[in-house]
Amino acid sequence: GQSLEQPSEVTAVEGAIVQINCTYQTSGFYGLSWYQQHDGGAPTFLSYNALDGLEETGRFSSFLSRSDSYGYLLLQELQMKDSASYFCAVNPSGAGSYQLTFGKGTKLSVIP
Amino acid sequence: DSGVTQTPKHLITATGQRVTLRCSPRSGDLSVYWYQQSLDQGLQFLIQYYNGEERAKGNILERFSAQQFPDLHSELNLSSLELGDSALYFCASSVELANNEQFFGPGTRLTVL
Repeated sequence: GQSLEQPSEVTAVEGAIVQINCTYQTSGFYGLSWYQQHDGGAPTFLSYNALDGLEETGRFSSFLSRSDSYGYLLLQELQMKDSASYFCAVNPSGAGSYQLTFGKGTKLSVIP
Repeated sequence: DSGVTQTPKHLITATGQRVTLRCSPRSGDLSVYWYQQSLDQGLQFLIQYYNGEERAKGNILERFSAQQFPDLHSELNLSSLELGDSALYFCASSVELANNEQFFGPGTRLTVL
């Protein structure tokens, strides 16, 4: 089976930097994805790491270490609109394993 | 707007009833995924279809079934509904068979009374 662990809540100040960690245990591994979900909204894709290292997309960066089964999402220059839940997700390898398994999500609150 | 549409937006029904949720994927996307989101279980994968064929099954109950039609829209059928089935049901789509970038619809909020 698959399991992902991420903090349930994080609070950060507007303009600051915040890191949301994710550790995973999977029978196989194709990569780590991150999704954002605002209250009452749908999940929205943010980033995907298949290989070790840092991927940068604007204010958001995502990191993966396959040897440590660990990744993180880094949000810089925080804005109030970044207040949302952030989910890490894995795509387990293996024939027919096309589904995403999501973590429970981290609720980020950005305060002035 | 992801380009994925879902109807209805809200659905209130009674225990024991049957409902059908509908999803239209983004234009050109062949893969459709269904997810259930509840407070206690989080976002859980239910089932995936690709170009009309079932390709992967997750934690989908036997009371639930789905299909994808030739025009690529999909329906999720939930029967013998229980209180615990109350949740948000999301449909997502992607271009390829196995794709980490999935585009989610706005969801259907199901309330079972």
